[in-house]
This record gives sequence, C-alpha cells and structure tokens, in this order.
Amino acid sequence: GAVVSQHPSWVICKSGTSVKIECRSLDFQATTMFWYRQFPKQSLMLMATSNEGSKATYEQGVEKDKFLINHASLTLSTLTVTSAHPEDSSFYICSAIPGLAGAYEQYFGPGTRLTVT
Amino acid sequence: DAKTTQPTSMDCAEGRAANLPCNHSTISGNEYVYWYRQIHSQGPQYIIHGLKNNETNEMASLIITEDRKSSTLILPHATLRDTAVYYCIVSLDTGRRALTFGSGTRLQVQP
Repeated sequence: GAVVSQHPSWVICKSGTSVKIECRSLDFQATTMFWYRQFPKQSLMLMATSNEGSKATYEQGVEKDKFLINHASLTLSTLTVTSAHPEDSSFYICSAIPGLAGAYEQYFGPGTRLTVT
Repeated sequence: DAKTTQPTSMDCAEGRAANLPCNHSTISGNEYVYWYRQIHSQGPQYIIHGLKNNETNEMASLIITEDRKSSTLILPHATLRDTAVYYCIVSLDTGRRALTFGSGTRLQVQP
C-alpha cells in the first residue's frame, strides 16, 4: 500500500517555542492531506484540511494562527505549532489521499508525539 | 456522515475469530461502511469497506445487514498483532474526505 511518513516521530520542546512537523507521501501525489490530533485515551480529532497550493481549512476551535499549515507540494505538508504550551502536548497524525477517481482508502502517517515542557 | 455505535472493548482468544459489531442506524443510501484500526501509538490503517454486500479481503470480512443499519467486522483467526482500537466509520468516500472517528472498540487478543 501507499506510504505516508512523518518527521519527527517524537519531539520535546520548551513552552513558548515553535515546532514543525512534516508529513510526506512517499510514493504518490496527494492533493489533499489532513491533520488530526489525538489526546491520551481519546479518539482522533480532525484539525485541518490541507490542499496543495491553497490555504488550509481549519475545524472549529482550532486556531489557525497557532497551527500553521503549509502544503507547498503534492508530496509534503507541514504543521507548525507556534508558541507551544503544555496543553498542546498530543499525538499529531497526518493522512493523505491520492485524489484519484475510485480511490477509497486514506493513508495515515505513523504520527508525531509532541511533549511541551 | 452517519453516527456509529460500537462496544467500548472486547476480548478474543488468539486463533479464534473476532467479531466486532457496529450500529449505524442513520446510514444513508449512498454511504459506505468503512473499518480502520489503530495499533497503539501508530496511525490508523484501512481494513475493509462495503456498501451493502458482504466483503472479504486478506485481512477481514465485513458483514452488513440487509437493512444496512448494522455491520460486523470479522477477523477470522485473531493474532496478538490484531490487538488495536477498531473504528467503524460511515462515509461517502474516505478516499476523498476527512474521517470522523468515534470512540471505537478496543480489541484485546489474549494468548
């Protein structure tokens, strides 16, 4: 199956600093990528939809100025958590869709665990 | 997307079939039933999907009731590696839309 990677797999940062997380589709072009967040013992929640070459669409309650998303190419989307605080500590997961007719599966990255101290 | 209801947790003996139920009574005619699973600290993984006919692939079987208001995911011979949270998702097309995850069923396969 198609592969989506994330980097880094885990990161620890100090409160007030910014962290960038990369999501790459390794063997297909993804016109759309999604960013989800998962807190401990909870389910995944959609944060934003990232479309190549256009501004991301954020879900209600997600601050677009805090979670900056850039989808500069068909294989790369980045999520930058700006001025991170301990409450931003979470498991961040991206997914990508090929955008092909008949494609039914969404491909997920392995996730990035962010800990803000 | 229609809402789904799943049991919070289930246990299954290794080597036995695991049957995971899902209720989706408000499913509309053009919505599919999808199953994904998430092994601990990993990203979710697609398992199978169907519209109204039963489906089978190398991972699992999907049985959808005739009225489409419920379905069952069957792992025919569960292994320890099948321990995960299983999500039943109703969607027009997960290949084009974001997924709405419920709480899922935590399946623990026992040795």
